[in-house]
Parts: sequence; structure tokens; C-alpha cells
Amino acid sequence: GDSVTQMEGPVTLSEEAFLTINCTYTATGYPSLFWYVQYPGEGLQLLLKATKADDKGSNKGFEATYRKETTSFHLEKGSVQVSDSAVYFCALNRDDKIIFGKGTRLHILP
Amino acid sequence: DVKVTQSSRYLVKRTGEKVFLECVQDMDHENMFWYRQDPGLGLRLIYFSYDVKMKEKGDIPEGYSVSREKKERFSLILESASTNQTSMYLCATLTGQALEKLFFGSGTQLSVL
Repeated sequence: GDSVTQMEGPVTLSEEAFLTINCTYTATGYPSLFWYVQYPGEGLQLLLKATKADDKGSNKGFEATYRKETTSFHLEKGSVQVSDSAVYFCALNRDDKIIFGKGTRLHILP
Repeated sequence: DVKVTQSSRYLVKRTGEKVFLECVQDMDHENMFWYRQDPGLGLRLIYFSYDVKMKEKGDIPEGYSVSREKKERFSLILESASTNQTSMYLCATLTGQALEKLFFGSGTQLSVL
């Protein structure tokens, strides 16, 4: 069945460091791909999305590119801030069924 | 703005009880979902529904059932609660221009003793 695999956390970085959180997927067809974020004490919210191969989603300085050849959708940010500390979930949507990865907790140290 | 309301924020039940978790959305959306969120396991899809009286099993439907009698309401039922069903339960509806965006309720933290 469809599945999403993302790197295990927690990931701890210093402020202004470069961030990569890896995400790969298994699905038939061409799913849409997403990153959701959950800040401490809050609900999940959509961070960015890509609906077809080679699309790049971006928001709040974060980027992810839909790579069909490697079935990946890695999340990147050039310079992280303390306020980026959260749990990040990679997800796919195929035929309106949304499947999430296990989440990666990110800690940013000042 | 989309509003997804879950009836209880915290719930404590005893093993063997029948438990109803209610979710109501106000935007006439067709697709609704129930997930549970557990530390280290992320969000796991229990059931989803794409129309009234329609339901589909997710990845972990065992021990659960759902009801969608009206478009705005999607109920999750634990027929006989067990301690391993202690979890945060999240209801969501699918929104956005291309139905690409999940909008979540605030969640129900269920404890089964």
C-alpha cells in the first residue's frame, strides 16, 4: 500500500544552520505531496505542497521539490530560526486518501 | 474560514465502554477523516468518508467504526474501548482549491483506564 517514510528525529541544529529533512514515498500513480508542521501546543497546518513531478513547493523559507525519479520530497531551509522548532510531517494524497509519515521533531538552539 | 469542531477536548473512559467521538464541519465538505496521533508513530488513518453514508477503511480500522449520516458530521465509535486506544484523535476535512489541504480539528485526547 501507499506509505511515507521520513527521517527519524529528533533533529537538533543551531540557529542559521541549513536544514534537510528527508522524505520518500511509495505509491502507485502520481500522488500530491505535502509537508505539514505542528508547532508546540498547536494543531497541524499545511506548510507547503507539490502536485506533480518537478514542482517546487515553498513557504516561510522552506522548500521541497517533487522528485518522481527518486520518489522523494525532501524539506529544506537555508537558515533555520528558533521559531522553526516543531514536528514536521511529510504526507501524500492519492485519490483523496491522505497518508502521513511518522513525523520528525526539530529543535533549533539559539 | 473552515471550522472543524470536535465535541470533547479531553475524555476519560473505562475499558469495555462504548465511546463516541463527534466531529462537525461547517463548510459542506465531502471528504472527512479520522486519525490518531501517537508519539513516535505520527498520524495514522483510521477511517475516512467521501460522502454521506460512505466510508472507507484507513490503515488501522480494527476496533473502530464510523458513522456519516449527515454531510457535516462524522462520528468515530470505539465499540469496546481498550487501553491501547488511549491516544489523541484528530478529525479533519479536505479543503483547498484542488482538495489538497487538510484542515484539522483541535483534537480529542482520549484516556482509556
